[in-house]
Amino acid sequence: QVQLQESGPGLVKPSETLSLTCAVSAYSISSGYYWGWIRQPPGKGLEWIGSIYHSGSTYYNPSLKSRVTVSVDTSKNQLSLKLTSVTAADTAVYYCGRQRDGGWYDYWGQGTLVTVSS
Amino acid sequence: DIVMTQSPDSLAVSLGERATINCKSSQTVLYGSNNKNYLAWYQQKPGQPPKLLIYWASTRESGVPDRFSGSGSGTDFTLTISSLQAEDVAVYYCQQYYTTPSITFGQGTRLEIK
Repeated sequence: QVQLQESGPGLVKPSETLSLTCAVSAYSISSGYYWGWIRQPPGKGLEWIGSIYHSGSTYYNPSLKSRVTVSVDTSKNQLSLKLTSVTAADTAVYYCGRQRDGGWYDYWGQGTLVTVSS
Repeated sequence: DIVMTQSPDSLAVSLGERATINCKSSQTVLYGSNNKNYLAWYQQKPGQPPKLLIYWASTRESGVPDRFSGSGSGTDFTLTISSLQAEDVAVYYCQQYYTTPSITFGQGTRLEIK
């Protein structure tokens, strides 16, 4: 059973950089598929942030593209998210997931709440 | 961007009754070359990540009860729960992946027991 687990600081100050990692187990990231990040502000809906293909190609939500970097570390079998210049609007639960070639997400992490506040 | 709009925003249905959730896309998600609709449905319970229910608009994910079904084509889609169970209380989202890996979700429909 594929498992994903997000980790990182739960509190980030405004204007700083949000950094999260997602550890993947029971499947090698380098074997295939897209791997992505999706966020959900408290009480709101789901927003796709960006995805990375196992080959390293990246794709970002145009509304966040200037601030986002998604990367993979195949030696650790994990993916990472960096979001710069955060504001309170970036407060959300951040999920990582495996995106099948068709485009749906079949495995998700449990999510991690990141609060942007001074 | 393809905008996904769900209706209603919330829904209350009696146990054992049918629940129907609609999803409309701002442009077609039917890919002509393979005749597939690039549309998925998810269920999200409080404090949990979304759970995949259906992809290709009507294909149930393994392990999903057969009371869940998806239908529709082009721009209009429906998720139907044939006989509502207490454990089906959740928020349901549709998602288009026509522009994969870039994807968009509907705003969600909250399903409650009447």
